Amino acid sequence: DAGVIQSPRHEVTEMGQEVTLRCKPISGHDYLFWYRQTMMRGLELLIYFNNNVPIDDSGMPEDRFSAKMPNASFSTLKIQPSEPRDSAVYFCASSLGVGAGGEQGLAFFGQGTRLTVV
Amino acid sequence: DQQVKQNSPSLSVQEGRISILNCDYTNSMFDYFLWYKKYPAEGPTFLISISSIKDKNEDGRFTVFLNKSAKHLSLHIVPSQPGDSAVYFCAAIQGAQKLVFGQGTRLTINP
Repeated sequence: DAGVIQSPRHEVTEMGQEVTLRCKPISGHDYLFWYRQTMMRGLELLIYFNNNVPIDDSGMPEDRFSAKMPNASFSTLKIQPSEPRDSAVYFCASSLGVGAGGEQGLAFFGQGTRLTVV
Repeated sequence: DQQVKQNSPSLSVQEGRISILNCDYTNSMFDYFLWYKKYPAEGPTFLISISSIKDKNEDGRFTVFLNKSAKHLSLHIVPSQPGDSAVYFCAAIQGAQKLVFGQGTRLTINP
């Protein structure tokens, strides 16, 4: 398996524009996570899905952020409208489960999308 | 509310010496802890983990220690090698809930 695949790797956009980040999880993984990396808060969980259903979106900063998972092999994170403070690296990760012990809860990350909003 | 905290943003260690990275948590219900390693322009990768029923787990040069009473865990790397230079993230899981990360510590190993 190629691992978690994110696109694009880099995105530069103007303030006010819509941005869509894409993620393909590892086949067979039933959990998908979106994280944002910032200097102050480290890896901040935005939202996660289980079997394509959003479970916890309490980390989504504002209504400008939305995420979907239309099927088991694809998810999007959308920011509309984008603002300069949204500039960060966004990671997608997938796992077999979120329990404790062994391979459970072990999340595999994509390479991230570096977003710059000017 | 940061439930997992890494208070040292950076650490510099001489090659061959021991590197000790620290992590504190506030939620006593966390029952599993992990360390991830991240190189520039790459996603984090799993390094080592420990269950709350243990106080130590060792894997080669890497050892994680857990002190539940102090709500503290640490990662020891010995001997440190230049390839260990990376950002290290501490993470915790509570039951079937989400993986919560700390802010990360940038480790630099000097030759």
